[in-house]
Amino acid sequence: DTEVTQTPKHLVMGMTNKKSLKCEQHMGHRAMYWYKQKAKKPPELMFVYSYEKLSINESVPSRFSPECPNSSLLNLHLHALQPEDSALYLCASSPPTGFYEQYFGPGTRLTVT
Amino acid sequence: QKEVEQNSGPLSVPEGAIASLNCTYSDRGSQSFFWYRQYSGKSPELIMSIYSNGDKEDGRFTAQLNKASQYVSLLIRDSQPSDSATYLCAVTSNTGKLIFGQGTTLQVKP
Repeated sequence: DTEVTQTPKHLVMGMTNKKSLKCEQHMGHRAMYWYKQKAKKPPELMFVYSYEKLSINESVPSRFSPECPNSSLLNLHLHALQPEDSALYLCASSPPTGFYEQYFGPGTRLTVT
Repeated sequence: QKEVEQNSGPLSVPEGAIASLNCTYSDRGSQSFFWYRQYSGKSPELIMSIYSNGDKEDGRFTAQLNKASQYVSLLIRDSQPSDSATYLCAVTSNTGKLIFGQGTTLQVKP
């Protein structure tokens, strides 16, 4: 089973709101990722967690705060976002990091008003 | 020079034809190569992975890798309208990150 789940599917939030995106995988993978994808562009890496520790932060603004409570769960906490942060947010997982296949969840479509 | 390059298309083929999608990459140290299919408004779906030179076949899909030429391709045989999507080539960098090309839009016309 190569399933990664994400909630919510859609989220509309104001610039002063605080919200969280959630991601879950039950494949026993030890690496999890957050990507941001704008229309007609490829996914853009934001964060990588390896064995529940943050290993890569691609210079993402602090209004995005990741959290990995355990090996199956990944959260992305959102605060004081800007309209330009509106995008499809994708979670992915892979066995460990490195040269392995990454499997994507269905994504959360975020609109910041 | 972009790290992973693809022709953005659209590539238009008639139903039943072979669609050929190409990708070049700049990092000679890359070891893993992937093709993702992405329908409009959906997330990328892994359809092929290839790690060594040569061809790898899976159903109607064949991935081809030539490390000497730094070239990866995806052939789709007997193309169907349901194959119409954007195809993303992805390559792992020497840091282990997945580097995507800009994607090629494929249109299969009935």
